[in-house]
Amino acid sequence: AQSVAQPEDQVNVAEGNPLTVKCTYSVSGNPYLFWYVQYPNRGLQFLLKYITGDNLVKGSYGFEAEFNKSQTSFHLKKPSALVSDSALYFCAVWMDSSYKLIFGSGTRLLVRP
Amino acid sequence: DVKVTQSSRYLVKRTGEKVFLECVQDMDHENMFWYRQDPGLGLRLIYFSYDVKMKEKGDIPEGYSVSREKKERFSLILESASTNQTSMYLCASSPGLAGAFSYEQYFGPGTRLTVT
Repeated sequence: AQSVAQPEDQVNVAEGNPLTVKCTYSVSGNPYLFWYVQYPNRGLQFLLKYITGDNLVKGSYGFEAEFNKSQTSFHLKKPSALVSDSALYFCAVWMDSSYKLIFGSGTRLLVRP
Repeated sequence: DVKVTQSSRYLVKRTGEKVFLECVQDMDHENMFWYRQDPGLGLRLIYFSYDVKMKEKGDIPEGYSVSREKKERFSLILESASTNQTSMYLCASSPGLAGAFSYEQYFGPGTRLTVT
């Protein structure tokens, strides 16, 4: 079955330090992967996506993600965290067979000053 | 600027009531989606539509129905609300034909529904 997993419920990092939010996937066929962010009391906002091509994908707000086919991972990264990055982050994978996105359970990122 | 609006931010209803959640997008998108968001479960797809008057069941359609009479509007209906339908409901839209995997979805702000 196609699925996506976010193994960490919460990630804590100090402002200015690099951050990583983990995502692994399981799909048959080519994976189409997305990251979304949800700020408090807001809907989800698109950050970045991997469809094909370069394994390092750059997105909004200085975020990037690395697609690793051998490890079936698509981790979200940022070189220097900001307090304003504190939010809920969702990884998602597109299911070709049924034309829909499958979301992970979400990871809460807390950046302390 | 892309915009998806939902009729209410907060809603409180009683068990057994019929509940309508409305979603409108102004981007002329073909596809529209209804999700519910619960802590620890992420987003789960209730229904989606890739054209006017078309609808497809998602992962958790039980207890819900939808209506799409116009391209810009997608309504979620709880026929008889129950307490286990207390949740955050998110509407989204995306361009492209059905199966267009490369397009991101645009989300509304959500409706937090409480059923008492």
